[in-house]
Amino acid sequence: DIQMTQSPSSLSASVGDRVTITCRASQGISNYLAWFQQKPGKAPRSLIYAASTLQSGVPSKFSGSGSGTDFTLTISSLQPEDFATYFCQQSYSYPLTFGGGTKVEIK
Amino acid sequence: QVQLQESGPGLVKPSETLSLTCTVSGGSIRSYFWSWIRQSPGKGLEWIGHIYYSGSTNYNPSLKSRATISVDTSKNQFSLNLSSVTAADTAVYYCARGTSFDPWGQGTLVTVSS
Repeated sequence: DIQMTQSPSSLSASVGDRVTITCRASQGISNYLAWFQQKPGKAPRSLIYAASTLQSGVPSKFSGSGSGTDFTLTISSLQPEDFATYFCQQSYSYPLTFGGGTKVEIK
Repeated sequence: QVQLQESGPGLVKPSETLSLTCTVSGGSIRSYFWSWIRQSPGKGLEWIGHIYYSGSTNYNPSLKSRATISVDTSKNQFSLNLSSVTAADTAVYYCARGTSFDPWGQGTLVTVSS
């Protein structure tokens, strides 16, 4: 199985901050990488697929980059509605696997 | 826009079979893969498996062949059966579209307990 490792597991940030979350795959996955946002008690919401393509309706403050084994999700200017947990996920090979999550909290 | 809704019992006894259905509305099930995913505090997000509308399936080997996913194109639904459940199968179960999981259903909590 491909292991997806996110860092950090949690972070504290202020409104307006630029935030970067990293996801590392245990082997190369090309650009078969998606990012999700999850708020408490809600289902995850897809933000980005193919490493850098925004889902329809996702604001441009979210961006993704990377290829191979190393990927990043960046939130350019953190807003109150962005405080949530973020997950990465690979769809390069079976079984499909997720990272452990990064919880973004208010400083 | 496509919406997904999970349905099924919220309580299942140990050793029995967990059965859930996902109803797809606002679009046809006759394209894409359709997945089941679960989330428990101890194991995070775990992909269970998926099915193509033609019936082709892939499963997570971690479930040791206990999972079976089926599709009913006439009802625009797909279903999950998970046999021989234990307390470790207690989780919120989600259905989702595609291999990059968009969109998701709202999720349904299934508790395994006698």
